[in-house]
Amino acid sequence: EDQVTQSPEALRLQEGESSSLNCSYTVSGLRGLFWYRQDPGKGPEFLFTLYSAGEEKEKERLKATLTKKESFLHITAPKPEDSATYLCAVQAGSSASKIIFGSGTRLSIRP
Amino acid sequence: ETGVTQTPRHLVMGMTNKKSLKCEQHLGHNAMYWYKQSAKKPLELMFVYNFKEQTENNSVPSRFSPECPNSSHLFLHLHTLQPEDSALYLCASSQEWTAEIQYFGAGTRLSVL
Repeated sequence: EDQVTQSPEALRLQEGESSSLNCSYTVSGLRGLFWYRQDPGKGPEFLFTLYSAGEEKEKERLKATLTKKESFLHITAPKPEDSATYLCAVQAGSSASKIIFGSGTRLSIRP
Repeated sequence: ETGVTQTPRHLVMGMTNKKSLKCEQHLGHNAMYWYKQSAKKPLELMFVYNFKEQTENNSVPSRFSPECPNSSHLFLHLHTLQPEDSALYLCASSQEWTAEIQYFGAGTRLSVL
């Protein structure tokens, strides 16, 4: 069965304290892995798409990496405005119905 | 502003009421989606429309009835809902139904009493 698991469920960091969020997946025929950010009271906002093992993408303080079994979202020297829930999703086929989301990691950055 | 607008933002309804959620996208996309987001649960895809035609219905109860009159507008008609249907309902759109990048609205927070 296709599955996406995110850990930890919640993470509290001090401003400037780097860390990583994990997204483990079990899916047949990965087409793509997506990272989204969701702020309270808003819908998810697209961050990255990764397609193959070894691929990396960066945006400001965020860097996403992909292996054959998991993806990491590395946050370097985070700021309070990075506080949000980060969602991981995988697409297992060409159909949109094959998109599976994880439950998310709720990240809080203390000033 | 994501280019996807949902109304209303909040809705409280009784189990016997009939209401509708509206979604409009200004991005020129061809595919639109309805998702349900419950507390501490993953987003659940409900319906997919591609060029106004429904392409996916993920075993959603018939008390949820979608309508897509054109590629820019999507509705979710609600009737005789249950308290467990209380959730955040999100609309999204993408250029094509292969859905590589989806743009989400802010959602409608629904409470069923």
